[in-house]
Amino acid sequence: DAGITQSPRHKVTETGTPVTLRCHQTENHRYMYWYRQDPGHGLRLIHYSYGVKDTDKGEVSDGYSVSRSKTEDFLLTLESATSSQTSVYFCAISPGTGFYGNEQFFGPGTRLTVL
Amino acid sequence: EDQVTQSPEALRLQEGESSSLNCSYTVSGLRGLFWYRQDPGKGPEFLFTLYSAGEEKEKERLKATLTKKESFLHITAPKPEDSATYLCAVQANGNQFYFGTGTSLTVIP
Repeated sequence: DAGITQSPRHKVTETGTPVTLRCHQTENHRYMYWYRQDPGHGLRLIHYSYGVKDTDKGEVSDGYSVSRSKTEDFLLTLESATSSQTSVYFCAISPGTGFYGNEQFFGPGTRLTVL
Repeated sequence: EDQVTQSPEALRLQEGESSSLNCSYTVSGLRGLFWYRQDPGKGPEFLFTLYSAGEEKEKERLKATLTKKESFLHITAPKPEDSATYLCAVQANGNQFYFGTGTSLTVIP
């Protein structure tokens, strides 16, 4: 596996509470991504980062914010968790070496349940 | 609208029975098409990148091909350990990625 870890691996929380998920990489890759995976929807991009403090929105960014203060860490925050945000969250990294497609390497995932 | 559709949703094969998985896409400014394998409870594992129509990539029993509207993942003489969900994804302009919902492959000994 590429050097990607996610924490926590499992979390149960209540509606309205803030939640932060962490992704840590040891590959020094430029690009980092957050996805959620739900049955019937597949993987959907939430936010991505193309460098320290440089982030952009994905397909399903509402209700989520991100921060990247160091190359190796990418944080995903749910400011006020809702039941619709119950999902499995994956972090991915990519070297981003050129214009043409950039393969992504995924972490092990975080299973989040919002009650 | 950018979109990726995979078929079939599920496929059961006897060991040694070759078949193909389909990924059709509509995307503005295709920058790459990717195939991943995902085992239960794990993150997707990268298999192939294809950039342009006519391109082919091979790895062991797997071969991926690309046309202007679809990609195929051919599995030759599959083994039980090839059982997994296979995901297709496209990269569009602006560094946006779109995934299909996957094909769940079961190879029966």
